[in-house]
Amino acid sequence: NAGVTQTPKFQVLKTGQSMTLQCAQDMNHEYMSWYRQDPGMGLRLIHYSVGAGITDQGEVPNGYNVSRSTTEDFPLRLLSAAPSQTSVYFCASSRRLAGGQETQYFGPGTRLLVL
Amino acid sequence: SQQGEEDPQALSIQEGENATMNCSYKTSINNLQWYRQNSGRGLVHLILIRSNEREKHSGRLRVTLDTSKKSSSLLITASRAADTASYFCATAPLPGTSYGKLTFGQGTILTVHP
Repeated sequence: NAGVTQTPKFQVLKTGQSMTLQCAQDMNHEYMSWYRQDPGMGLRLIHYSVGAGITDQGEVPNGYNVSRSTTEDFPLRLLSAAPSQTSVYFCASSRRLAGGQETQYFGPGTRLLVL
Repeated sequence: SQQGEEDPQALSIQEGENATMNCSYKTSINNLQWYRQNSGRGLVHLILIRSNEREKHSGRLRVTLDTSKKSSSLLITASRAADTASYFCATAPLPGTSYGKLTFGQGTILTVHP
């Protein structure tokens, strides 16, 4: 299994441009999440999904859209990039275990620089 | 807002010493987890402790949880240079609320000198 894959690894955008960060998992996990990681801020949840066709907002959703048309894919769209969106983006997936527990599997991350 | 606050922000030790990191959180949880992140890489799950557990071991890792104080600690015994990484605690909400929704602390940067 490849686990969680993310593309691209690195991207430079100009302010106002749009782009899609790709995330895919091959573990048949129900849950998928997008986080951003900024220095000194830990990881903050952007959007998450509990299954195909179901998404919800996390802590910092503004400026981002998601959709989940399949179990495997969970793309993150930046509608109009801003310098404040310069960050490292991580996608994660998980499955519900007995007792309601879950652990998340992370992709390698996408480094985004917005000029 | 961040659920978890980690202490210390940075820790520097010699190989063979023990490393202790602490995490405090604000709301009731289903479980608390610790993750490791090597520089420039994704996070890797280390250990999970449920809200009804007080202590858990995995190899050189020992995790404690005090729900009355809303705090947890991660102890790495006999540290190695390869343990150099950032360590994050993450809390999961109570069952019945949404999965895929972990809340992470700000992390502790551990440096182990050979």
